[in-house]
Amino acid sequence: ETGVTQTPRHLVMGMTNKKSLKCEQHLGHNAMYWYKQSAKKPLELMFVYNFKEQTENNSVPSRFSPECPNSSHLFLHLHTLQPEDSALYLCASSRIDSTSGANVLTFGAGSRLTVL
Amino acid sequence: GQNIDQPTEMTATEGAIVQINCTYQTSGFNGLFWYQQHAGEAPTFLSYNVLDGLEEKGRFSSFLSRSKGYSYLLLKELQMKDSASYLCAVRGSNYQLIWGAGTKLIIKP
Repeated sequence: ETGVTQTPRHLVMGMTNKKSLKCEQHLGHNAMYWYKQSAKKPLELMFVYNFKEQTENNSVPSRFSPECPNSSHLFLHLHTLQPEDSALYLCASSRIDSTSGANVLTFGAGSRLTVL
Repeated sequence: GQNIDQPTEMTATEGAIVQINCTYQTSGFNGLFWYQQHAGEAPTFLSYNVLDGLEEKGRFSSFLSRSKGYSYLLLKELQMKDSASYLCAVRGSNYQLIWGAGTKLIIKP
């Protein structure tokens, strides 16, 4: 148990479907992140939320829509995705203290998404 | 541009020592991280270096040279469970992480 839980672990969807990924942490962290992990590529940061406010959106297509209702929960809403969006989507959390210390990320195990 | 380079794959023998290198070119430097990721699992934090030198933690050590833009992760007394991907990441000037593509380490008996 990593402290960050992601559901579902696996998702297969068609290009016209609408689905959501869920992330939950009870570590008392105040920052949450969505990353995309594709085979043999570096982790791609998608979105960052600090204290429920979105602070980063790394040019992510609008077919990905994040939602952070509170500091413990993070969603990624998916609609009209494309086959190249198939990847592992990782959620992470951390304490906001970027000017000192390690500010270590705690990751969930990811949601494996396949778009047909 | 910003870039993190690490070998794609390495193979080592159980009980031996392996060194995984990471070189980086980033705008600013605020620390370097190593994470371990077993197949199908979450990446987990291994080490953090912000000053030059060697940080030792059990069988794992991490080294940093800021002037050379270079780090390595040293794994001693390799065990089969060390088979995993090892991710190098640098925190740049905006305090966001820049990631390498990871090194897949295969341990053979």
